[in-house]
This record gives sequence, C-alpha cells and structure tokens, in this order.
Amino acid sequence: EAQVTQNPRYLITVTGKKLTVTCSQNMNHEYMSWYRQDPGLGLRQIYYSMNVEVTDKGDVPEGYKVSRKEKRNFPLILESPSPNQTSLYFCASKSRDSYPGYTFGSGTRLTVV
Amino acid sequence: GQQLNQSPQSMFIQEGEDVSMNCTSSSIFNTWLWYKQDPGEGPVLLIALYKAGELTSNGRLTAQFGITRKDSFLNISASIPSDVGIYFCAGSIPPGGSNYKLTFGKGTLLTVNP
Repeated sequence: EAQVTQNPRYLITVTGKKLTVTCSQNMNHEYMSWYRQDPGLGLRQIYYSMNVEVTDKGDVPEGYKVSRKEKRNFPLILESPSPNQTSLYFCASKSRDSYPGYTFGSGTRLTVV
Repeated sequence: GQQLNQSPQSMFIQEGEDVSMNCTSSSIFNTWLWYKQDPGEGPVLLIALYKAGELTSNGRLTAQFGITRKDSFLNISASIPSDVGIYFCAGSIPPGGSNYKLTFGKGTLLTVNP
C-alpha cells in the first residue's frame, strides 16, 4: 500500500531532550515536507526537500532540523525541544512530475513539558 | 510568506444541507487544492484545480478556481454525517515550474447534525 509512515504517533518529552520524528514513504517521491498543525493556525510548513541532499526552510523552521540522506526518509530533528513546539506534526510527500497534491502521513502528536 | 484567508472558521449544519466555504489570497496561485482532515488522521486531497475559471466536481463536492487566481470555493451538496472534519484550502506557486510548496488556509471545521 502506498503510504507515508511517521513514528511515533504520540510523544511526550521534556524541554531540552533531543528527539527525532521519523518519516518514510514507499512511493519513490522526490518531494517531501514537514508541517505543523496548531489550533487556529492551520498547517504551516517547517522544511521541505526536493530530492536527496536538497532541503530548504519553510515558513516556520526555527528550532528544527531535517536531513534527506535517502530518497524514502525525511526525519525531523528537534535538537532542544521547547514547550512552544508542542504541536501535531505531519510529514508529506509527492512526485515531482505528477499530481500536485501531497500525500500526508497520519501525524505525530508531540507534547513538550 | 503568502497567506490564505479561509472562511468560515466553523460551520454547524443539518444533514442534507448544502455547504459552501471559500478561500482568498492577496497573491496569485497557479494551483488550488482542497483537502479534508478526518479526526486523528492526516489531510487527504479532495480536489485539485489547475486553471483559472475551472470548475471541477468529485461526487457531491464541487470546487472552482477563481478567474483572478486569488480565490477558490468548495461546495458540498446534500451533506451526510461522514462529511464531518476540517477542510483546508491550499495554494501552490511553482517557482521554476515545480509545485513543491503549498500554502494552507487555517481550515473550516464542519459539523453535521444527523
């Protein structure tokens, strides 16, 4: 089944403790992206990647890092999480040459205390 | 970055009623998309619009790409309980021809009373 898989689905952590949210897609998509969803703010793009080793900042990149060492994986790294990064995170992917819509994962709900 | 103004923020309707929501922008977009998010899940693409003035249907859903390229609307006819969820508009501007960046509206929360 074609899908975007994120892990974990739920995570509670403490301020300052480094964490990684993994994202993997099995559709051989070139483009991948991370979004955060907050009440009243909708979906905001954190980082995106156009292909392996090509990443760029989205609208809210502060406090996040990403890497794209393999085409299928696009992990989101929080080096020193803070409470304002408590949010619902979505990874998404799409093919470069076809259909404009991103396919989204099921989300990771992160709570930083 | 670009911002999309989506309205209404929320709607409470009776089963069987029609629904209309819209999205406006101060910038031009070359593609408009409409997504639906069910509780606990990621957004799922409903309709994609590629051309100014285009009207596209997907079952009970109809969406239009405004002729100014700065707005879009989504209509749902004869609503049913499973239409409940958050509906997002999204716009795409392709720098160099690549539609990789999406800007989302803040969403419309739809509640359908049986």
